[in-house]
Amino acid sequence: GAGVSQSPSNKVTEKGKDVELRCDPISGHTALYWYRQSLGQGLEFLIYFQGNSAPDKSGLPSDRFSAERTGGSVSTLTIQRTQQEDSAVYLCASSQGGKGGYTFGSGTRLTVV
Amino acid sequence: EDKVVQSPLSLVVHEGDTVTLNCSYEVTNFRSLLWYKQEKKAPTFLFMLTSSGIEKKSGRLSSILDKKELFSILNITATQTGDSAIYLCAVVPYNTDKLIFGTGTRLQVFP
Repeated sequence: GAGVSQSPSNKVTEKGKDVELRCDPISGHTALYWYRQSLGQGLEFLIYFQGNSAPDKSGLPSDRFSAERTGGSVSTLTIQRTQQEDSAVYLCASSQGGKGGYTFGSGTRLTVV
Repeated sequence: EDKVVQSPLSLVVHEGDTVTLNCSYEVTNFRSLLWYKQEKKAPTFLFMLTSSGIEKKSGRLSSILDKKELFSILNITATQTGDSAIYLCAVVPYNTDKLIFGTGTRLQVFP
């Protein structure tokens, strides 16, 4: 597609439920990144993919967080047993392996109540 | 631990003022530094800097990198209310493709 597409744009969930966030990168971009931005904070790295593999998942805050990427394209970030501190905007970005600028999607605003 | 620090955290100016935003970093194997503007949710790309002393310019915005002193500045001249946003600085090390972000500078421009 023309840009990075994320869905849903907003998600309200009850504490303890699982959620899935989706990212559809720019066609042909081999690298895909997930970041989290809490209110008033900078962007916190979660995980990045090169193709379908994740060379760096060091930013995932706990084992409740997981991500996968299939076909070198769409990625899903799954948060199990959500907690209130998971409330944030989850941003996805893609790039041509870091050789150019990184393009961000509009994010998913997750609210855990 | 790799670190990116931005200052000031917040800035309030009047239209027409010139502002300078600062970004300093401590990153091993530095590859590049990027500036983004974030108005609502999606940060939008402004500049990528890889070489010291070469100014990048786009309209009223310009940026330069000093790899010896490990910092970059973003200048905005003749500010407009549409420049109000959070400006994010990020560094990319060589051994990874991930962006290491600073906390950002919130700029508010009043008429």
